Amino acid sequence: AQSVTQLGSHVSVSEGALVLLRCNYSSSVPPYLFWYVQYPNQGLQLLLKYTSAATLVKGINGFEAEFKKSETSFHLTKPSAHMSDAAEYFCAVSSNAGGTSYGKLTFGQGTILTVHP
Amino acid sequence: DSGVTQTPKHLITATGQRVTLRCSPRSGDLSVYWYQQSLDQGLQFLIQYYNGEERAKGNILERFSAQQFPDLHSELNLSSLELGDSALYFCASSVAGIGTDTQYFGPGTRLTVL
Repeated sequence: AQSVTQLGSHVSVSEGALVLLRCNYSSSVPPYLFWYVQYPNQGLQLLLKYTSAATLVKGINGFEAEFKKSETSFHLTKPSAHMSDAAEYFCAVSSNAGGTSYGKLTFGQGTILTVHP
Repeated sequence: DSGVTQTPKHLITATGQRVTLRCSPRSGDLSVYWYQQSLDQGLQFLIQYYNGEERAKGNILERFSAQQFPDLHSELNLSSLELGDSALYFCASSVAGIGTDTQYFGPGTRLTVL
């Protein structure tokens, strides 16, 4: 079974400050990890994903995440927050294990990011 | 715009009723997924289809059923609706239906059961 824990349901930063959203995963098979963003009343949009190539993954809008197997973490960072980054962020895990888990995403509970001027 | 379309956008119905949610995947994608998003359960995987066949099942209630048609669109049927079924239902699609795929999400159908 796979699971994701996002530490902090709400994170608040000032515009221009570092954004750090934490994600830890649990998986008995090699995981693939994703960060999605959800703006109000919209669907989810992929920010970036890790699929066992480079451990430092760069995504859209200046976001990046580093896969750390020893820490079972996949934290999302952005050096300088912008007002338009205010949204809810979801970390998710999947795998290529067969059976009932094939391809499905298991999501964390989400982190709401607020950016103050 | 992800290229995944869902209809209707909003649905308001009464307990005990039955509704059908529709999803059209991105052009070229063979796999469709259904997810439920609610305040208490978060985002939960319901079911996955690949090229018309059921591939994976999650926490989908027996009152719920789905299918993927030959033209690859999918429908999620919810019956004997209860208040607790009120949620946002997302459809996503991907090319091959495997773990490394990017899943593209539709805008969702907001279901309100009164």
